[in-house]
Amino acid sequence: DTEVTQTPKHLVMGMTNKKSLKCEQHMGHRAMYWYKQKAKKPPELMFVYSYEKLSINESVPSRFSPECPNSSLLNLHLHALQPEDSALYLCASSPGGQAYNEQFFGPGTRLTVL
Amino acid sequence: AQTVTQSQPEMSVQEAETVTLSCTYDTSESDYYLFWYKQPPSRQMILVIRQEAYKQQNATENRFSVNFQKAAKSFSLKISDSQLGDAAMYFCAYRSRGGADGLTFGKGTHLIIQP
Repeated sequence: DTEVTQTPKHLVMGMTNKKSLKCEQHMGHRAMYWYKQKAKKPPELMFVYSYEKLSINESVPSRFSPECPNSSLLNLHLHALQPEDSALYLCASSPGGQAYNEQFFGPGTRLTVL
Repeated sequence: AQTVTQSQPEMSVQEAETVTLSCTYDTSESDYYLFWYKQPPSRQMILVIRQEAYKQQNATENRFSVNFQKAAKSFSLKISDSQLGDAAMYFCAYRSRGGADGLTFGKGTHLIIQP
């Protein structure tokens, strides 16, 4: 299995809702990432998990809460989002460690906040 | 902090022709990785080609090749024999060598293939 899967593909939520995005990989990768991509813009790094520990948080608002329950699964919990949070949320994984590695991206979850 | 600059917001090329996409970057590090990713409309981001900074030889993957000039901090992508399926947004990306750092992306170049 050489892919990263993300669910759901699309999500529409109100500003008072609580929802979660899910990302899964079965490549044995030990680093996982969340990126946010606005339309016609490059992805922007949000969080990095390395060996299931949060290693990078790029000053993301607390209404985004990441979780890494195990080495294959990465969640992004959403609460009290704003309309400007509407974007494509990309998950990626890489083997991790000190060796060279590329990041494999999932198809993304397109989030709309009303 | 590292920065990546793609100065061409959009490029157009005739099918079967060759096109070169530009990328420059700024870093104080001596060892790092550079990538070109392709993102077709409403489709997944996929890796096109990668280059390790300590390797002087330019990377090549079939019709895709790079011109890596470390001293000039330049990393251009050449696509030969352009095909309709090459139409996409192309992002140049930088990654530090150590640890599980994220990617720093350029703003992207929208490549149009004219039939």
